[in-house]
Order: sequence, then structure tokens, then C-alpha cells
Amino acid sequence: KAGVTQTPRYLIKTRGQQVTLSCSPISGHRSVSWYQQTPGQGLQFLFEYFSETQRNKGNFPGRFSGRQFSNSRSEMNVSTLELGDSALYLCASSSRGQGARVSTTSQYFGPGTRLTVT
Amino acid sequence: AQSVSQHNHHVILSEAASLELGCNYSYGGTVNLFWYVQYPGQHLQLLLKYFSGDPLVKGIKGFEAEFIKSKFSFNLRKPSVQWSDTAEYFCAVNTPNTDKLIFGTGTRLQVFP
Repeated sequence: KAGVTQTPRYLIKTRGQQVTLSCSPISGHRSVSWYQQTPGQGLQFLFEYFSETQRNKGNFPGRFSGRQFSNSRSEMNVSTLELGDSALYLCASSSRGQGARVSTTSQYFGPGTRLTVT
Repeated sequence: AQSVSQHNHHVILSEAASLELGCNYSYGGTVNLFWYVQYPGQHLQLLLKYFSGDPLVKGIKGFEAEFIKSKFSFNLRKPSVQWSDTAEYFCAVNTPNTDKLIFGTGTRLQVFP
């Protein structure tokens, strides 16, 4: 099976612009999560999606948004970019089911999109 | 709120030395526990996981971890490290009703030949 893929791998934007990042989960995985990785803050959770519904959201401003499509692919958008948004954005997918109250699934990460804001 | 602590920020070892990386979490309920590794220039890879059962879990590349519930700990061990183990190691937890992972700050391991 192909792993989690993310596009683009690298991106340079200027302050005030917006950006959209894309993630394709492992085939058959319907749960997708996004994380931000920075040297100062480490790995921080952004969103969790399942079947086009956001199930969980991290503590990020409203400039950060996401969505999931019917084929489980997901996008995240950051509007009005700030210098502090420079980070590696990671997507992860799992085989967690909709009604699963006790999860025994693991998340598998993609290579990330390196966003640099100048 | 849940949190994860990794007390060793930077560990330097010689090849064949034994490794133990500490991980403590704060959450009173049931948790799932993970160790991920990030080799230089590569993406996060799952090293091992604990959901339930035997508290001693074995992962890839000779790594193992022990869940000690009374100490809220999930320390990672390897009896003999190799140069190729040079990487950053992250401990993470989630509660069983979500995929949301809470990560520790990571431990950078450098192994010298």
C-alpha cells in the first residue's frame, strides 16, 4: 500500500497570503489528522476528520481551517499568513472506524509540507 | 488537559551502549501510548504502540517500551544502540475515543561509532 502523500512538499509564501495544503491518506483509511511541527512548539494537533466531518480541533486561530472530501482526501488552509506559521505541516491517517469507541488503531504520517513564510 | 513529558532532550551515546528514554504523561483515564521516530530528513515513523494487555511491548529495530500505569510512564529502551539509531524520538498519547495525539517535546539521540 502506498503511504500518506502530501503536496506540495515545499512552499514559500509571503505574509498576508493564503495557502492550501493537500493530503491523501493510505488507501482505505477514513480518518485524517493534521499537525504542525516547529522547533519551538514541537508537534501540535490541528484537526481530525472522519467522513468529511471535523471530529476534533486543536488550539489554533480561525485562520487555520480544513476539510475532508468524500474520497477521504483532506486539505488544510491557512489564511492571512504570519511569519510564525512557518512550519512543517504533517498529515496522518488511520483506519479508525466511525463507531469505534475504543481505538486500537495507529496513525501513519506523511512526509509533510514545509511552509516558509517570508 | 493531557500532557506528555520527555525529560531527556538530547542524549549522546556510543554504539553498543544501552538506551532508555523517559516518557511520562498526565491523564487519569485510559490512554493509548506510542513512540514515533523521525530519522534525519525522513517522516515520522511508528516505532511501537501500547493499547492494552502485556505492558512490555516490542517494536521495530529492537526497541521495546514498558508501560507502568502507577508511574504514568512509558519508557523506551534498547539494549544496544547503533549509529543508524541517530534520530529524534517522540512519545505520544491519545485517549481511545480520538485520533488526536498529544506529543512530548522529543528527544534527540546521537549515536557515535
